[in-house]
Amino acid sequence: AQKVTQAQTEISVVEKEDVTLDCVYETRDTTYYLFWYKQPPSGELVFLIRRNSFDEQNEISGRYSWNFQKSTSSFNFTITASQVVDSAVYFCALRIRNQGGKLIFGQGTELSVKP
Amino acid sequence: NAGVTQTPKFRILKIGQSMTLQCAQDMNHNYMYWYRQDPGMGLKLIYYSVGAGITDKGEVPNGYNVSRSTTEDFPLRLELAAPSQTSVYFCASSYDSFYGYTFGSGTRLTVV
Repeated sequence: AQKVTQAQTEISVVEKEDVTLDCVYETRDTTYYLFWYKQPPSGELVFLIRRNSFDEQNEISGRYSWNFQKSTSSFNFTITASQVVDSAVYFCALRIRNQGGKLIFGQGTELSVKP
Repeated sequence: NAGVTQTPKFRILKIGQSMTLQCAQDMNHNYMYWYRQDPGMGLKLIYYSVGAGITDKGEVPNGYNVSRSTTEDFPLRLELAAPSQTSVYFCASSYDSFYGYTFGSGTRLTVV
């Protein structure tokens, strides 16, 4: 069975702190994609990153970075020098080829960045 | 491009009423999806479609129906609304089975 676990339900930090959001996934497929989405208070879902199962290179985009480790089935997301605008719910998701390529979402981590 | 358009944005239904949530995309995507998001929860798949005329059930299909007569449109029908269907509904589309989704802005539905 496929599953995504985000063990941290809520995280609260003070502005400028670094914060890491954890994501652990389960799948028997050898080909899959991993995603992170941001859901700000306005409610829309904003795509952040996609990673395929054959590319374990870490990625950095500004203050955001992602660490993909197949050995531990993890795809963690770090925000450096957090800002109040980073306050949102963050979802990790897994996509596999069968079942219409559906996205399997974790339960989300609500990040609150206080000034 | 409009992307994925969902209507309405908000709706209040009485128990037992029916309604259709509209979803349209203008990107010529074959894959389309309906998800629901309950408070504090992730998104759960209701129905999906891999092309016009083809639909299939997701994790939580009970109480819903879909159709896909064109590539562009993927309406979600609620029959006999129940309070358990109070949720935010997201429609999404995708070019193929591995690209990311484009999400609509969501429909907030309350059943009273």
